This record gives sequence, C-alpha cells and structure tokens, in this order.
Amino acid sequence: GAGVSQSPSNKVTEKGKDVELRCDPISGHTALYWYRQSLGQGLEFLIYFQGNSAPDKSGLPSDRFSAERTGGSVSTLTIQRTQQEDSAVYLCASSLADSGRLGETQYFGPGTRLLVL
Amino acid sequence: AQKVTQAQTEISVVEKEDVTLDCVYETRDTTYYLFWYKQPPSGELVFLIRRNSFDEQNEISGRYSWNFQKSTSSFNFTITASQVVDSAVYFCALSGRLYNFNKFYFGSGTKLNVKP
Repeated sequence: GAGVSQSPSNKVTEKGKDVELRCDPISGHTALYWYRQSLGQGLEFLIYFQGNSAPDKSGLPSDRFSAERTGGSVSTLTIQRTQQEDSAVYLCASSLADSGRLGETQYFGPGTRLLVL
Repeated sequence: AQKVTQAQTEISVVEKEDVTLDCVYETRDTTYYLFWYKQPPSGELVFLIRRNSFDEQNEISGRYSWNFQKSTSSFNFTITASQVVDSAVYFCALSGRLYNFNKFYFGSGTKLNVKP
C-alpha cells in the first residue's frame, strides 16, 4: 500500500512569508507526527496528533508554528513569518497507535525541504 | 527523563568489514520500546527493527543483528560484511509509557561510510 506522502518535496521562500506543509499518512493510521531535521542533525520532535487532537504541542519552537489535522487524516504544518533558522527538512510520520496498541512503529514520509532566503 | 545517546558521530569502514553502532538509552519507564531507523542519502527514514523492553533476545536479520542489554541500557546494532549500500545515517529511538509510547526520542544519529 501507499506510504506516507508529503508535499511539497521542496519549498523555497523568502523571509517573512508564510508556508504550509502537507502530510498524508498511511491509510488507517490514527497517529501522526511532525519532526524537524536541520542539516546534519538529528530529529527534533514538533507535535503529534491522535486522531484530530494534539495532546503534545511541546515541541513547537515558537508561536509562529502551528499544525492541524482534519478528518483524522491529512495534516498541515504552518509556519508564519518564516525566518532563516526555519530552514530544515520537515518530516512527517504516522503509526497505528491508539489506546489498544502500544509502541507502534512510526513510518516516515520523504520530507519537505524548506529553504528560507 | 528519556534520552538516547549515540556517541559515534561518524564511522568509516571498508566494504566487508563488520561494524557495530552503539545506542545507550535512559528511561524511568519499565515498559518501553526501542527502534532503529536507517536514513540513506535520499533522506527517507526506513524502519529496521522494533524491540520491547521485555524481550532481551538478540535478533538477526540477514547481515543485521541487534544486541539488547537492559543491564547496560544498550541496544547496539551490528552490520556483518558491510556493503556500500549500507552507507547511511542510522538512528536509534526510544518510546515509553510516560508519553503513551507516542513520543519518540531519537539519538543524534551515526553516519556510516562504507568504502569500496
């Protein structure tokens, strides 16, 4: 079946502009995660969704970052007034995690490479 | 606190050599899960293995093997007879009950270079 998909694959924007990054999880996966990976660095957790709700937003770097998920499926990560330090690869993952399943594997999408000029 | 440490930033080996990637974790949970992912130059993280804290049996999958030792809080990954295609960044990750297993804590990754 289809894996996690993300769009766009690459995004170049000017400082101060808003950007929207999209994630389509694997069909049937109830949990969805966003991570950020700066060049040559590890993965920084941003936020996760269980269904449409986000129990943990602690990783969002600032109030310029927001995310939503509708219909328990597609999620959008929005960065307002982008800054150069926002340049990174934004990775999305999904899993089957729900109340009855523990420690489910997260499956990752190819990422969106964001460059803020 | 939950933490994963991959002390080896970068390793270079020659093809056919064996190589071990170290992963040390910290957690207060008694139930937790450990994972290894591979990130090739293309960038997409590929799932390799998932292991729960109650299963300390070592696992072998082809040229890959994993050694889980709770006594030393380690979950090391060995590639036998390495190949150029093994060149990638490898991440170890931990999830625990504290965050309902949904929040993964990743190590900083080990970059493996396999030279022909």
